[in-house]
Amino acid sequence: DAKTTQPTSMDCAEGRAANLPCNHSTISGNEYVYWYRQIHSQGPQYIIHGLKNNETNEMASLIITEDRKSSTLILPHATLRDTAVYYCIVRVAPGTQGGSEKLVFGKGTKLTVNP
Amino acid sequence: DTAVSQTPKYLVTQMGNDKSIKCEQNLGHDTMYWYKQDSKKFLKIMFSYNNKELIINETVPNRFSPKSPDKAHLNLHINSLELGDSAVYFCASSLRLAGSYNEQFFGPGTRLTVL
Repeated sequence: DAKTTQPTSMDCAEGRAANLPCNHSTISGNEYVYWYRQIHSQGPQYIIHGLKNNETNEMASLIITEDRKSSTLILPHATLRDTAVYYCIVRVAPGTQGGSEKLVFGKGTKLTVNP
Repeated sequence: DTAVSQTPKYLVTQMGNDKSIKCEQNLGHDTMYWYKQDSKKFLKIMFSYNNKELIINETVPNRFSPKSPDKAHLNLHINSLELGDSAVYFCASSLRLAGSYNEQFFGPGTRLTVL
């Protein structure tokens, strides 16, 4: 079972920031937060991940609260091509003690970017 | 330069038939996966192989038999196909290094329809 809770759907205007929340109140100290997205009919695509510090890459920013019980994925300037289902996943990094290669996908958030 | 490729993209077959789906990755990864996405868009892992060794088997019926001839290939053979096997099957690959990103790269999917 997925250990995360996300809103079912969200809308965002093109060019504006999209802020996608995720609750993971039972996260363990060694579990990372990963974000993937699935654009219609395509395979899921990795976006970003983090442990406790905020992270940024060319696609998005990840803000993790100090207690690590929730996080927010930020797409700074959403485009129509960002319309997709966004999945928030927690897991212990593979290759470490107790790590898991398994990604457990929940239902995700369907983000619709409107023109 | 397809990173993870699957063949075929579409597969339509009759109940009771045996079929195979092939997956290849050219990323030099050592771990490969099969996921199933059902009609409700729920994405769930089926198998994972690391260096040709099975490391995850998520209580999938034994009609499903993955085979990894080498690190770059993971094929999925399905015997006695049933209506409930209709789904989109995604192959993925990743590294398995402690402390590393280990993000999974997904293929484009194979849409299997059992009539």
